Amino acid sequence: GAVVSQHPSRVICKSGTSVKIECRSLDFQATTMFWYRQFPKQSLMLMATSNEGSKATYEQGVEKDKFLINHASLTLSTLTVTSAHPEDSSFYICSARSTGGFRGTEAFFGQGTRLTVV
Amino acid sequence: AQSVTQLGSHVSVSEGALVLLRCNYSSSVPPYLFWYVQYPNQGLQLLLKYTTGATLVKGINGFEAEFKKSETSFHLTKPSAHMSDAAEYFCAVSDRGSASKIIFGSGTRLSIRP
Repeated sequence: GAVVSQHPSRVICKSGTSVKIECRSLDFQATTMFWYRQFPKQSLMLMATSNEGSKATYEQGVEKDKFLINHASLTLSTLTVTSAHPEDSSFYICSARSTGGFRGTEAFFGQGTRLTVV
Repeated sequence: AQSVTQLGSHVSVSEGALVLLRCNYSSSVPPYLFWYVQYPNQGLQLLLKYTTGATLVKGINGFEAEFKKSETSFHLTKPSAHMSDAAEYFCAVSDRGSASKIIFGSGTRLSIRP
């Protein structure tokens, strides 16, 4: 299957700093990438949809100025958590869908990033 | 708007017993349906998907699911549980488009008793 690489897998940062998480599709072009947030023992909540070369579409209730998303190429999307606070601590997962064909019917997921803000 | 309901946040079965995880969906258009498995502190792995055609879908690790339009259901089954099946399982739905977002159910934690 297709591979999506997410980096870093774990990060600890101080309150008030910014953290960047990268999501790369390694063997296919991803026109659309999604960012999810998962709280302990809960489901994945969609934060935003990013399309290559255009602005991300944020879900209701997600602060776009806090969670900056950039999708500059067909293989890379980044999520930057700005001015992080302890309540931003969570598990963040990205997924990517390809440009179409058979692979376009499913999304491929990164391994997630555990963010801890202290 | 699309949604997914997973009945039972926790299911426990004995090793070798039938596994049945329930999923009902709501969609105004014919959807794509998915089952994903997640192990602790890891991403999601696709078990199987329904897009079109045969309504009984076979996936990895012996899992299968049946799309029943009349019941708006997509239940996941496995004839004989194995200890390694213990994990969190998510049912998900999306529109039929490569740019469509995937909406997840609340998840079901599967425990296997020896």
